[in-house]
Amino acid sequence: GESVGLHLPTLSVQEGDNSIINCAYSNSASDYFIWYKQESGKGPQFIIDIRSNMDKRQGQRVTVLLNKTVKHLSLQIAATQPGDSAVYFCAENMGWMRFGAGTRLTVKP
Amino acid sequence: DTGVSQNPRHKITKRGQNVTFRCDPISEHNRLYWYRQTLGQGPEFLTYFQNEAQLEKSRLLSDRFSAERPKGSFSTLEIQRTEQGDSAMYLCASSPRGTGGFNEQFFGPGTRLTVL
Repeated sequence: GESVGLHLPTLSVQEGDNSIINCAYSNSASDYFIWYKQESGKGPQFIIDIRSNMDKRQGQRVTVLLNKTVKHLSLQIAATQPGDSAVYFCAENMGWMRFGAGTRLTVKP
Repeated sequence: DTGVSQNPRHKITKRGQNVTFRCDPISEHNRLYWYRQTLGQGPEFLTYFQNEAQLEKSRLLSDRFSAERPKGSFSTLEIQRTEQGDSAMYLCASSPRGTGGFNEQFFGPGTRLTVL
């Protein structure tokens, strides 16, 4: 069936390095995606979104890239900080959000 | 704080008991969503409302689950005859009525349910 999934369950980076979190989706009709950050014991926090008519969108220290040809989405975090340590989810807008399993990002000082 | 709020934050109950959770969305957000999240997994959609109308329900929402949003503001999620498999984090989210079908959803802190 259709799914939204992530390539790696964990990612460890050094503080100050850039982080890249990847996501594959299978529904070619998907037209809107959101990246969420979830810290332990908290609800998902909206980071950035992108519509399918865009290839790239930038926020503060974050960039989302969308490759519709290979149905791939990525989140880039520049100059990763310890406060970025969390689980990151990509989600597909179905009217409600369909989430993947998540990638745990750990930032080493 | 004008974010989504949920109460209680934690609930421990015995198998077979009924529980009810409350969600207060961001003011003027007319869409409200319920999700369930188990450890190590992403949130799974349960149901959503536009104003007081329940527009869609997941197959995950068994007949023991019922959600209401009587006045189009806060919502309640009730689980009857709880089972151990109901243990999870129950998340609520709200969004404004978006254009073109795109709606940023903002989540509350969740209610963690433990069924003994």
